[in-house]
Amino acid sequence: QLQLQESGSGLVKPSQTLSLTCAVSGGSISSGGYSWSWIRQPPGKGLEWIGYIYHSGSTYYNPSLKSRVTISVDRSKNQFSLKLSSVTAADTAVYYCASAGTTFAFDIWGQGTMVTVSS
Amino acid sequence: QSALTQPRSVSGSPGQSVTISCTGTSSDVGGYNYVSWYQQHPGKAPKLMIYDVSKRPSGVPDRFSGSKSGNTASLTISGLQAEDEADYYCCSYAGSYTVFGGGTKLTVL
Repeated sequence: QLQLQESGSGLVKPSQTLSLTCAVSGGSISSGGYSWSWIRQPPGKGLEWIGYIYHSGSTYYNPSLKSRVTISVDRSKNQFSLKLSSVTAADTAVYYCASAGTTFAFDIWGQGTMVTVSS
Repeated sequence: QSALTQPRSVSGSPGQSVTISCTGTSSDVGGYNYVSWYQQHPGKAPKLMIYDVSKRPSGVPDRFSGSKSGNTASLTISGLQAEDEADYYCCSYAGSYTVFGGGTKLTVL
């Protein structure tokens, strides 16, 4: 059974870069047909898709965040990562990693990790 | 790209049925049969309830059903139970990106 676990800094200063990692267990991140996503949820608000990376390495990002986002894969560690640059208070949110199969539905989610942007 | 439009809240009594709508455009909901629905209880990660417009993952009760007409998708929950009280989000593939709805709070009276 595939499981995902987020980790990273819970507090980031404004203008700095947010960095998170999602460890994949119970399966290989190199498996074909899967995409690996980041999704966030500001306190009291709805879900926002950030972007995903395919097993091939192709990436797709939310156009509203594209200039600040990088998603990458580390196959040796079976994990994928998110970097979001030039953060502001508006980037404060619970960040989830999730996987999707060929139907673009997010069937496996991590538990989420809260990131606060504050000086 | 804009978020898909959902009602902010719906309610129903135990045993009744409720329907949550999700309106997008021909570039997302209307253009692909890749609409999914998620249930989220407070403090928990979302859970996939419906994918490909109307398919249920293993373990999801058949009280949950999905459909689509044009640019609007719908989630219907029949035989409401107390544990169905949660936030529900629709989601659609849109070619080079994915977009969520704003979320609907379901209250079981």
